[in-house]
Amino acid sequence: SQELEQSPQSLIVQEGKNLTINCTSSKTLYGLYWYKQKYGEGLIFLMMLQKGGEEKSHEKITAKLDEKKQQSSLHITASQPSHAGIYLCGAAPGGQNFVFGPGTRLSVLP
Amino acid sequence: DVKVTQSSRYLVKRTGEKVFLECVQDMDHENMFWYRQDPGLGLRLIYFSYDVKMKEKGDIPEGYSVSREKKERFSLILESASTNQTSMYLCASSSLTGFSNQPQHFGDGTRLSIL
Repeated sequence: SQELEQSPQSLIVQEGKNLTINCTSSKTLYGLYWYKQKYGEGLIFLMMLQKGGEEKSHEKITAKLDEKKQQSSLHITASQPSHAGIYLCGAAPGGQNFVFGPGTRLSVLP
Repeated sequence: DVKVTQSSRYLVKRTGEKVFLECVQDMDHENMFWYRQDPGLGLRLIYFSYDVKMKEKGDIPEGYSVSREKKERFSLILESASTNQTSMYLCASSSLTGFSNQPQHFGDGTRLSIL
């Protein structure tokens, strides 16, 4: 079973809409990374959350870490076609091996 | 900016061939990683290295080996390529300050097809 689960698996939104992607761990999260991947390319580092309650923003993307829920959410405001891609979370659940979530595929319709 | 460069974007090889995938990083990072990415299976760690000449097995090392003779270069070797090694291969590097609290920076990936 996956140590990091992501929901939804895929998402199609109209340009301009807001959306949220979740990453949930079965173990304690001591920090978490968010990455974006364009199809057929490498992963681009978006942001790192290092402690519970931390929230970071980069342009129209905001992510926060809820330690108690063992969950992180990534929120995109006023989505644009340039936001399309696969979003992956990465962490070391329980302080053990670093793993990536399965990814959420986002499509933004113009 | 960190630059991780993989030698090929696309590669086609034949079953039984010995295949070399090369990765170079320019940020003097101690840690380097090789992953493969497959639909439905996500990213899986093959090998990683935390220093020159040091290597550790990841989750799926079978059929692969690695070489790290210089700090900036980490090579993945398919000793005898098989069709089930057709995949997207991603190299990454990170600095040493704790294995899991510095972000990994990725190359553009190599899409390898074994015929």
